[in-house]
Amino acid sequence: QSALTQPASVSASPGQSITISCTGTSSDVGGQSYVFWYQQHPGKAPKLMIYDVNNRPSGVSNRFSGSKSGNTASLTISGLQAEDEADYYCSSYTTGNTVIFGGGTKVTVL
Amino acid sequence: QLQLQESGPGLVKPSETLSLTCTVSGGSISGSFYYWAWIRQSPGKGLEWIGNVYYSGGTYYNPSLKSRVTISVDTSKNQFSLKLRSVTAADTAVYYCARPRRSTTLHTFDMWGQGTMVTVSS
Repeated sequence: QSALTQPASVSASPGQSITISCTGTSSDVGGQSYVFWYQQHPGKAPKLMIYDVNNRPSGVSNRFSGSKSGNTASLTISGLQAEDEADYYCSSYTTGNTVIFGGGTKVTVL
Repeated sequence: QLQLQESGPGLVKPSETLSLTCTVSGGSISGSFYYWAWIRQSPGKGLEWIGNVYYSGGTYYNPSLKSRVTISVDTSKNQFSLKLRSVTAADTAVYYCARPRRSTTLHTFDMWGQGTMVTVSS
């Protein structure tokens, strides 16, 4: 199984919005409702930010939203804040009963 | 509050077996209906799912690691373990144990240990 494809980096100024894409196949992102997004700050464990494509766990800011179209999922961060600077990973369940991750996207707040 | 804590050697020699344990506190593995997971992250790289073990012992593994991996559970100690055989430098990584958000699923990890760094070197 190949990793999901994410851009290596995205940057924007505070207050702006960014969107991170995550491209897979019909065996994972395109064929599943189980697409997730994790945020990881340096030296820390990942934190679940979005599950089931577009749901936020309790406590996650509503500035984070998820969507999916075909084989590509997206994470949008609106009103970018300094604390959002981190690595973001998408993940998907697959038709083969496995879990795959994207390569990660480094978000820089300018 | 559920907590997960990884433990094990930080240094393993090439060709040997990497062995890690995850101790669960604040909740019981037994009868929990969760698939407990191991995930790793090589230095400067992304996350890689290793596999899950059900509280009763059933397992799912990453196909790319399946031939070298065994994940097991010890409900009497409230622990689950990872064994990775015939390690090479490519297995150097931070190893995390984790629990899915929903029982009976393999995915959507919302509880993570702090991670433990394992280096493969002679």
